[in-house]
Amino acid sequence: GDSVTQMEGPVTLSEEACLTINCTYTATGYPSLFWYVQYPGEGLQLLLKATKADDKGSNKGFEATYRKETTSFHLEKGSVQVSDSAVYFCALSQGGSEKLVFGKGTKLTVNP
Amino acid sequence: EPEVTQTPSHQVTQMGQEVILRCVPISNHLYFYWYRQILGQKVEFLVSFYNNEISEKSEIFDDQFSVERPDGSNFTLKIRSTKLEDSAMYFCASSDLRRGRASETQYFGPGTRLLVL
Repeated sequence: GDSVTQMEGPVTLSEEACLTINCTYTATGYPSLFWYVQYPGEGLQLLLKATKADDKGSNKGFEATYRKETTSFHLEKGSVQVSDSAVYFCALSQGGSEKLVFGKGTKLTVNP
Repeated sequence: EPEVTQTPSHQVTQMGQEVILRCVPISNHLYFYWYRQILGQKVEFLVSFYNNEISEKSEIFDDQFSVERPDGSNFTLKIRSTKLEDSAMYFCASSDLRRGRASETQYFGPGTRLLVL
């Protein structure tokens, strides 16, 4: 079945450092890909998405590009802030199914 | 901004007891979901619900689980006889209708942490 594998955490960075969280997927067909973020005490929030190959999703300085050839959707940010500290989840959905398939989540801590 | 809410935030129960987890989806949304995350594991899909019936469910969602929309605002997940392995964070989500089907963007609540002793 469909699955998502993302980089194990936790990840600890200093403010203004570069961030990459790796995400790869296994799926039949052409899934849509998502990054969700969960801040402490809150629900999962959609951070960005891409629905077809070579699409780039972006939001709040984060970017991810849908790479069909490497089945990847890595999350990147050039300069992280303390407020980016959260758990980040990569996910996919397939046409014809309503469910999201998630990775395990990666906890990011950004220190001042 | 509208949001999905869930109650309680934490619940502790004894094995074999029934629990009901409650969710209030975003008011104009028509699709509702339950997911769970066992500690240290992936967020897993349980069930989706549309038009007062289950539209999709996973293998996890067996006869011990049921969902209901008892009124115009609440969406509940019932576990009839809890087991130790039901201990997890349970997330509710909702989405609206887009071109006759569920929108890909799901809005999640903060979760209910269930501990079965």
